[in-house]
Amino acid sequence: GNSVTQMEGPVTLSEEAFLTINCTYTATGYPSLFWYVQYPGEGLQLLLKATKADDKGSNKGFEATYRKETTSFHLEKGSVQVSDSAVYFCALRLNQAGTALIFGKGTTLSVSS
Amino acid sequence: SQTIHQWPATLVQPVGSPLSLECTVEGTSNPNLYWYRQAAGRGLQLLFYSVGIGQISSEVPQNLSASRPQDRQFILSSKKLLLSDSGFYLCAWSKRGGSSYEQYFGPGTRLTVT
Repeated sequence: GNSVTQMEGPVTLSEEAFLTINCTYTATGYPSLFWYVQYPGEGLQLLLKATKADDKGSNKGFEATYRKETTSFHLEKGSVQVSDSAVYFCALRLNQAGTALIFGKGTTLSVSS
Repeated sequence: SQTIHQWPATLVQPVGSPLSLECTVEGTSNPNLYWYRQAAGRGLQLLFYSVGIGQISSEVPQNLSASRPQDRQFILSSKKLLLSDSGFYLCAWSKRGGSSYEQYFGPGTRLTVT
């Protein structure tokens, strides 16, 4: 079936460290891929997206590249800040009308100063 | 611009009591609407989605139900809550059409069943 697998958390980093959160997917066809972020006590916000192979989504210093050959969409940031502490969700959406997002289980990131 | 509202923000209900959570979207028409649940320490689980008034698809069999009485209103209900219904409930909307349309989430309702 269709699914998203994220690395287990929590991920604990010092400020200005390099961040990678791995995400791989299984899907029929060619899905669109998303990263969402959830700050404590809040709903989810779209962080970035990519809709086809080799697309790179980027926002707020975060990047992720749609790799069809490895079915991956890893999230990276060169220098994290304390304010980046949150839960990050990788998700896919199939190219079918009315379909919802399929989420990974989320990865908690904690950044200390 | 589009906005999505959910209420209440928090709710504490006893086991066996009824539930009604409301979600409304402003600034768009004919959206797809979704209800998700996020249990403590777990990911998001899709509960229901709707592509139009009165059209509801259920993803997980349970004691919850959903209704869409108006184009931009989505209601999650239960006749008798269970302890396992506790969680963070998120409503979301997206444009109709291709998979590239992202979903926009509301602020959520935290439900505690005691």
